[in-house]
Amino acid sequence: DAGITQSPRHKVTETGTPVTLRCHQTENHRYMYWYRQDPGHGLRLIHYSYGVKDTDKGEVSDGYSVSRSKTEDFLLTLESATSSQTSVYFCAISGLAGDGDTGELFFGEGSRLTVL
Amino acid sequence: QKEVEQNSGPLSVPEGAIASLNCTYSDRVSQSFFWYRQYSGKSPELIMSIYSNGDKEDGRFTAQLNKASQYVSLLIRDSQPSDSATYLCAAITGGGNKLTFGTGTQLKVEL
Repeated sequence: DAGITQSPRHKVTETGTPVTLRCHQTENHRYMYWYRQDPGHGLRLIHYSYGVKDTDKGEVSDGYSVSRSKTEDFLLTLESATSSQTSVYFCAISGLAGDGDTGELFFGEGSRLTVL
Repeated sequence: QKEVEQNSGPLSVPEGAIASLNCTYSDRVSQSFFWYRQYSGKSPELIMSIYSNGDKEDGRFTAQLNKASQYVSLLIRDSQPSDSATYLCAAITGGGNKLTFGTGTQLKVEL
């Protein structure tokens, strides 16, 4: 199994509070991704990273920011959580160590976020 | 029009039958296609990738690609109850730098 862990796995928070989700990998993969999954919408890309300090937006990036200060860690931050951000969040890494965005992703176990 | 489309199902098949899952895509320049399986409450896992027209077989799974029709399918032979899951189709779109997922088809294999 790819060494990828997410924390926290479950979180309940209130509208307007900041939330940070952490993704940690032990595989030295260059590419890391944050997706959200919602009924009827499938998996949608929030942000991705192609290296340390190199990040780009996905299709649903509004309200989210990311940071990658080390190869192994990719953080997703909700600056001021809203109820529409209640979702399951998945981190993923691409299938090859080093360079290469192959489309072959390994996913973390997911983080279920509830915003009340 | 969504870039990758799937029927949400559920698709019900009896144990031992062939399950056929279908997917269409809108970006004509897409070259790489993937099938992921997701059990309820779990994360997606890659089961097949296909890049060329035709069939690609891996055990009980066969992926089929028809670029002219912009159509990808996944056949599961000798379906087992353990195959009951949601199957996500994905394609690299946008000129090769974005992996787009369909909404998934739920498969139920009944005893």
